[in-house]
Amino acid sequence: SQQGEEDPQALSIQEGENATMNCSYKTSINNLQWYRQNSGRGLVHLILIRSNEREKHSGRLRVTLDTSKKSSSLLITASRAADTASYFCATDAKGAQKLVFGQGTRLTINP
Amino acid sequence: EAQVTQNPRYLITVTGKKLTVTCSQNMNHEYMSWYRQDPGLGLRQIYYSMNVEVTDKGDVPEGYKVSRKEKRNFPLILESPSPNQTSLYFCASSPTRIPYEQYFGPGTRLTVT
Repeated sequence: SQQGEEDPQALSIQEGENATMNCSYKTSINNLQWYRQNSGRGLVHLILIRSNEREKHSGRLRVTLDTSKKSSSLLITASRAADTASYFCATDAKGAQKLVFGQGTRLTINP
Repeated sequence: EAQVTQNPRYLITVTGKKLTVTCSQNMNHEYMSWYRQDPGLGLRQIYYSMNVEVTDKGDVPEGYKVSRKEKRNFPLILESPSPNQTSLYFCASSPTRIPYEQYFGPGTRLTVT
């Protein structure tokens, strides 16, 4: 299975601190995406990084991709209580239209 | 409002009783997909469709059927549900034929007793 693994499984930080989550995957990919899920609700797309990109920014989000290590990280800067959610990475393998999600990191921002 | 809708949102049923979960999107999206979410396992793709009348298996298709007769609808059919299909199900759609920037429905919580 190509299923990714996310690290850590849970992260708890104080409001205003930065949060970093990591994702590892097993096969060559076209793209890697990050999604957010608020408790039990549908996922929301955050950012997509292509396999030929190394870093991408969107507001307070910074994503890096290291294809040699088959890993990605999501950095949320200046965290807010509203960032409390689960974060998932998702990859689509080269030549496939399937999307494979990691198991997610549960992020809690303490006020 | 652009959205993906699923019905029902909650369903409790018994083993073997056929059921259908509907999914509809109003964004003229090409790609549609079904996922199940289970604790500790993340989201796993059940089936996906890149276009009308084109469907393909995801990672966990056993026990499920789908159809894509119209672009906007992608129902999930459980012909003989079993307790191991108790899960939270999500439908999603993407603007292109590739699963980028998916829009997710609100989820259907299914319990099979």
